[in-house]
Amino acid sequence: QVQLKESGPGLVQPSQTLSLTCTVAGFSLTSYNVHWVRQPPGKGLEWMGVIWNTGGTRYNSALKSRLSISKDTSKSQVFLKMNSLQTEDTATYYCARDGEQPFDYWGQGVMVTVSS
Amino acid sequence: EIVLTQSPTTMAASPGEKVTLTCLASSSVNYIYWYQQKSSASPKLLIYYTSSLASGVPDRFSGSGSGTSYSLTISSMEAEDAAIYYCLQLTSTPFTFGSGTKLEIK
Repeated sequence: QVQLKESGPGLVQPSQTLSLTCTVAGFSLTSYNVHWVRQPPGKGLEWMGVIWNTGGTRYNSALKSRLSISKDTSKSQVFLKMNSLQTEDTATYYCARDGEQPFDYWGQGVMVTVSS
Repeated sequence: EIVLTQSPTTMAASPGEKVTLTCLASSSVNYIYWYQQKSSASPKLLIYYTSSLASGVPDRFSGSGSGTSYSLTISSMEAEDAAIYYCLQLTSTPFTFGSGTKLEIK
């Protein structure tokens, strides 16, 4: 059964670094791409970046200087790190798989609040 | 960056009514994908490659379009279809979502 689950701190202080983990099950990260998407409260979806099955990455240019996505295929985990967080980075962060169709499975999301 | 403009922003439909949502792209895209998001749940894939129905999605949903103009149609509105609908383009990075259409039941 395909599953993705995000985990990480619910609260991050301004200017600090956010670290999130997406733990997957039911498929191999060597065969499928995983995206990160975020959604500020009451707002729409923003694509952040992707790690391809090959290990290559592509980032949203608006976030590129702050964002890093990596993975540990042996642990079935994908990692997101974003530095210099500001209040506007408060959002629910999702990981999603590119399967037989794009973004066919999503995690439940993790809410991150940036506040002192 | 390709901007996707969805319309209307909000609408309400009666049970049984036909509903059409629009997604306009600022540049031509190869395909559009449609996602449904209810309350605080994760988005769910409805339509891929513009017009293909995702597994388990009722056949009252359909998609069409080409170039810069795309639409999602619900042939007969049901209460469970009340949600926010987003279109997505994967033609060029950054991949972009539309701002969403909130569909309510009358």
